[in-house]
Amino acid sequence: AQKITQTQPGMFVQEKEAVTLDCTYDTSDPSYGLFWYKQPSSGEMIFLIYQGSYDQQNATEGRYSLNFQKARKSANLVISASQLGDSAMYFCAMREGLGAGSYQLTFGKGTKLSVIP
Amino acid sequence: KAGVTQTPRYLIKTRGQQVTLSCSPISGHRSVSWYQQTPGQGLQFLFEYFSETQRNKGNFPGRFSGRQFSNSRSEMNVSTLELGDSALYLCASSPRQGDGYTFGSGTRLTVV
Repeated sequence: AQKITQTQPGMFVQEKEAVTLDCTYDTSDPSYGLFWYKQPSSGEMIFLIYQGSYDQQNATEGRYSLNFQKARKSANLVISASQLGDSAMYFCAMREGLGAGSYQLTFGKGTKLSVIP
Repeated sequence: KAGVTQTPRYLIKTRGQQVTLSCSPISGHRSVSWYQQTPGQGLQFLFEYFSETQRNKGNFPGRFSGRQFSNSRSEMNVSTLELGDSALYLCASSPRQGDGYTFGSGTRLTVV
């Protein structure tokens, strides 16, 4: 079974509007972390936002916010006021502990976001 | 501060050859992990190094290996290259294991 599921292969959003990118996860580790990264065509993975499993409040970073619903194992990324520069691939990732202080980051398949002028 | 530096950015190799990729982490970061990204398989974990020790390895054949030096710089090596090894190889550094992953721009390897 997939540990990270991103159900939207591609999405379009009008410039200046908000968009939500979906992410669901599955883990038995009680102390996990969830990340969102942006990957433009250049290839670099750019960190956007982080949510720890014990964090009580949803994470926010500028125009990015994370809608964390722990019981539903959901961690959706909300981008407000979309800009043309937001067009890129977006990846949801989960950090799990593997024991003995070792960790692994598992990625979803990604969502390609296209912002329309 | 300087980010994560991966060299080279692009590489073309022939089947059967070997290749070494380099990753210099952010100063002070002691953990380095490597990922392979292909259109078919997506992003897959290769290995994680911390304090010069491999702490974890993904499901890749023994042709994939790596190491970390005392200055935290890391190299990964792929021997006997196959066409399927063509991919973007990404390195991430962290101040501690499992925390604050910062990625480099990647090395795009093409095997012909």
